Amino acid sequence: GIQVEQSPPDLILQEGANSTLRCNFSDSVNNLQWFHQNPWGQLINLFYIPSGTKQNGRLSATTVATERYSLLYISSSQTTDSGVYFCAVENYGGSQGNLIFGKGTKLSVKP
Amino acid sequence: DGGITQSPKYLFRKEGQNVTLSCEQNLNHDAMYWYRQDPGQGLRLIYYSQIVNDFQKGDIAEGYSVSREKKESFPLTVTSAQKNPTAFYLCASIGAEAFFGQGTRLTVV
Repeated sequence: GIQVEQSPPDLILQEGANSTLRCNFSDSVNNLQWFHQNPWGQLINLFYIPSGTKQNGRLSATTVATERYSLLYISSSQTTDSGVYFCAVENYGGSQGNLIFGKGTKLSVKP
Repeated sequence: DGGITQSPKYLFRKEGQNVTLSCEQNLNHDAMYWYRQDPGQGLRLIYYSQIVNDFQKGDIAEGYSVSREKKESFPLTVTSAQKNPTAFYLCASIGAEAFFGQGTRLTVV
């Protein structure tokens, strides 16, 4: 099946710093989403981005489907950005909505 | 408020017991999914349902059962056959995008 790899696994930032999280996937996808899991376990949908670029405030994401990767950019990080960021993909031709998750990037933002 | 609701938030199971986790959505999505998350890991698919009265096994279905009698509801039963049920369980309702409940943390006592 499709493999999803995220890097780095852990990231520690000082408040105000910028960061880039990467998601590589091994096959064609028709759905890619980024999620943030807060310290209480809640998963929040950040971006639905099977291709192209989107921005939402301090966050932006780019997916280059032909090269099988996606990037999540966090600018001017805040302590509330801490948590785990997951990339999830739906394999092209797979069951609709069957998202395959990477293992996540654990982000800690220090004041 | 549109959304997806899981209950309970915390659940304790004795050895040999079956327990049922609730998941309700009012997003009018056809598809609902159950995932399991172990510490430091990503999410693994247990079961999913893309239409009422139909459901499919995911990657780790052994020891679990589900039903989908209503579009809004997709309960998960953790049976005594599941040998290592302690985990965080997340339910998702999926249209074009996925929306997750707040999760249920199950512990075997």
